[in-house]
Amino acid sequence: NAGVTQTPKFRILKIGQSMTLQCAQDMNHNYMYWYRQDPGMGLKLIYYSVGAGITDKGEVPNGYNVSRSTTEDFPLRLELAAPSQTSVYFCASSDHRGYEQYFGPGTRLTVT
Amino acid sequence: DAKTTQPPSMDCAEGRAANLPCNHSTISGNEYVYWYRQIHSQGPQYIIHGLKNNETNEMASLIITEDRKSSTLILPHATLRDTAVYYCIVRARSDFGNEKLTFGTGTRLTIIP
Repeated sequence: NAGVTQTPKFRILKIGQSMTLQCAQDMNHNYMYWYRQDPGMGLKLIYYSVGAGITDKGEVPNGYNVSRSTTEDFPLRLELAAPSQTSVYFCASSDHRGYEQYFGPGTRLTVT
Repeated sequence: DAKTTQPPSMDCAEGRAANLPCNHSTISGNEYVYWYRQIHSQGPQYIIHGLKNNETNEMASLIITEDRKSSTLILPHATLRDTAVYYCIVRARSDFGNEKLTFGTGTRLTIIP
């Protein structure tokens, strides 16, 4: 199993541009999550999904959108990128028990 | 969710036991204690969790005090690869079973050769 994969690894965006961060898991997990981590800080939940077609907001959803059309994929969309969205983005998934979340390697995004 | 307090940093000699404390004095009866770690810039890694009994797995042991107001994560024989930021998280189980974890700033553990 590849586990949780994220693309791209790095990206530089100009202010106002848009992009989609990709996340995929091959563990047949129902639950998927997007977090962001600012320098020197802990992770904050952006959005999460409990299954295909179902998403909900986390702690810091503003400026982001998500969709969950399949069990495997959970892309995160940034519209009108702002410098405040400069961060490292982690995707995670867990099974129905939810005890252990498996994290991807992260996407380092810089908005200038 | 209950708030946790951890020391910002700790050192431990290689081969010794690393004991990482966590205070969660406002924990409620249905809240679990989770520990994750983050090595350098990688994604966090689950270590262990518990409700009120002590727990042990292949990575670590979790000791929860009887009043559940604090806990200690124990890495029995620390190696250089255990250098990481360790997060203590307290969270109630949701109705769905999924865990919306809230990460604080954790404890930066440095293993000294």
